[in-house]
Formats: sequence, C-alpha cells, structure tokens
Amino acid sequence: KNQVEQSPQSLIILEGKNCTLQCNYTVSPFSNLRWYKQDTGRGPVSLTIMTFSENTKSNGRYTATLDADTKQSSLHITASQLSDSASYICVVSDPPSTLGRLYFGRGTQLTVWP
Amino acid sequence: NAGVTQTPKFRILKIGQSMTLQCAQDMNHNYMYWYRQDPGMGLKLIYYSVGAGITDKGEVPNGYNVSRSTTEDFPLRLELAAPSQTSVYFCASTQRDGYEQYFGPGTRLTVT
Repeated sequence: KNQVEQSPQSLIILEGKNCTLQCNYTVSPFSNLRWYKQDTGRGPVSLTIMTFSENTKSNGRYTATLDADTKQSSLHITASQLSDSASYICVVSDPPSTLGRLYFGRGTQLTVWP
Repeated sequence: NAGVTQTPKFRILKIGQSMTLQCAQDMNHNYMYWYRQDPGMGLKLIYYSVGAGITDKGEVPNGYNVSRSTTEDFPLRLELAAPSQTSVYFCASTQRDGYEQYFGPGTRLTVT
C-alpha cells in the first residue's frame, strides 16, 4: 500500500534554531517528492519539488534532501523564524502514466517560539 | 493574478441539505482538483479534471459531484450532506500533471 509517513508529528523550537523534519514513503513507482508549507487556515504552498534523480533542493532557508534508494526525505529549516510556524506536508507523486496521483503525509506541526 | 479562489470560506449545513463549493482559477490551468482535509489527516483527492468537459473520480468521491464547463471554474456539489462530510475542502490547479499544484484558501464545512 502506498503510504507517506512523517515524523515528528509536532515540534517546538526556539527562534533562530535549526530543525529537520523527516518523511518516509512506500510509493512505487515514484515520480517526484514535494514539500508544502501550510499556514493555519490557509491552503498548502509548495516549497520544493524533487524528481527521483535529485538529491537536494533549496528554497531560501529550506533545504530538502531525497534518498530514493531508502525512500526517505528530509526538510531542513535553517535559522528558524516565527513565520515558519506552520504544518509541513510531504507529498509523493506516482508517474503521470498512472495519473500522477499525489500521496499526502499527515504533516509535521512546527511551532517556533520567540 | 488572483490564483485559485474558493467560496464560501465557511459554511454550516444541516444533514440532508445540498450546496455547491465554488472554485475558480485565472492561470489558464487545464488540471484542477478537489481535496478534503480531515483533522490530523493527509489531504485526500475527491475529484479531478484534466480539462473542460472532462472529470473523473479520485480516492473519496462518494457523496460529491463535479462539473467543468469552462477552464476557469470547477464547482464541487454536495448532495444530501452528512456529518462525515464535515471537513476543510481545498481546490487546486496545475499547468501540467506532475508540476506544482496551486491551492486555494479552503472552505471549512460543518454538517450538523
């Protein structure tokens, strides 16, 4: 069964600190992996999209890594800010030939304290 | 560019009532999607469309219907609302399958 598991479920860090969020998936075949940020009461917003051939991709203070062999990804946030408080969702897509269906993780709720 | 817009933002329905959730995008995207997000759960695909006049079921289509008469609009119809349909509904669109999806702000629906 295709699944996306994220850990931890929730995380609290102090402003200025770094953190790493984890994503394990069983989706196969696999096309791309995405990280979304979802602020409370808003729709998800894309942070990064990586294909199976990419190992890392950055977007400002956000760096995503991917190990397609072990089916693991991580999202590293550097020098956290209060505005980073949000849910971070890992999403894995199977190939367009099979509709390109997206499998959503449940998200990691990050809280940044001043 | 407004992106993806959804109306209403909030709605309370009584069991058995019907309503339509509106979704519109101004990016000329062919692909549009409806998701629901239950508390503590990942988003689940309800219906999707690959272009005007073409729609198909997603993972959880029961109790919903869609239509796509134009590229811009993709309304979601709830017939005979049930408490199990209490959720937050998101509409999304993308230029091509496999590309970044752009999400609307969501509609929070409560059925009591």
